[in-house]
Amino acid sequence: ETGVTQTPRHLVMGMTNKKSLKCEQHLGHNAMYWYKQSAKKPLELMFVYSLEERVENNSVPSRFSPECPNSSHLFLHLHTLQPEDSALYLCASSPFPGSPILSSYNEQFFGPGTRLTVL
Amino acid sequence: AQSVTQLDSQVPVFEEAPVELRCNYSSSVSVYLFWYVQYPNQGLQLLLKYLSGSTLVKGINGFEAEFNKSQTSFHLRKPSVHISDTAEYFCAVRPPSAGGTSYGKLTFGQGTILTVHP
Repeated sequence: ETGVTQTPRHLVMGMTNKKSLKCEQHLGHNAMYWYKQSAKKPLELMFVYSLEERVENNSVPSRFSPECPNSSHLFLHLHTLQPEDSALYLCASSPFPGSPILSSYNEQFFGPGTRLTVL
Repeated sequence: AQSVTQLDSQVPVFEEAPVELRCNYSSSVSVYLFWYVQYPNQGLQLLLKYLSGSTLVKGINGFEAEFNKSQTSFHLRKPSVHISDTAEYFCAVRPPSAGGTSYGKLTFGQGTILTVHP
């Protein structure tokens, strides 16, 4: 596998279910991101992990719980979701962020996404 | 804070015709500018970026974009489109990283769906 992979690609769940989305990057990056893509809305940044530490949580409801056990893996644990949470969830990764030594350009590489439907 | 406006939600065009997808941004600081493409059932792929230097940047698949600071625009163009260019295109901005936790937060526009007809 190369790049950023996400599993599952499609997920249908009820409001009382608990499920997890998985993201894995094979690029040696140190930052990972979760985005939510809803129809007719801009991509929304949900969480950012840098060197396995959460550095941003954009007012995301607690029914979404991220986990970053190492720099290659990122999970999004889901529980008691609402129908309005149905969306495409995209994972991305980038090289070490914010280093003044680097060119300061940190391209984000995206995975194919998980299409989530909450019934 | 930054914001991005993509002026057209859908752009239909015939094959081999030229196309321009418009993007305007608002920011109180200098920004880097990007165009991403999303093909059906796929993630986002970087088309091109403007960091500094020449205001005309060339990307993959024959696309180019011009940064216009006075008009705060970064319109995407292609002189002759193909059926395979049918996709959704996203304009995005972010401030240059400055160390610390400045990890490169991207702000996206709403997207423009380009449909190329035979």
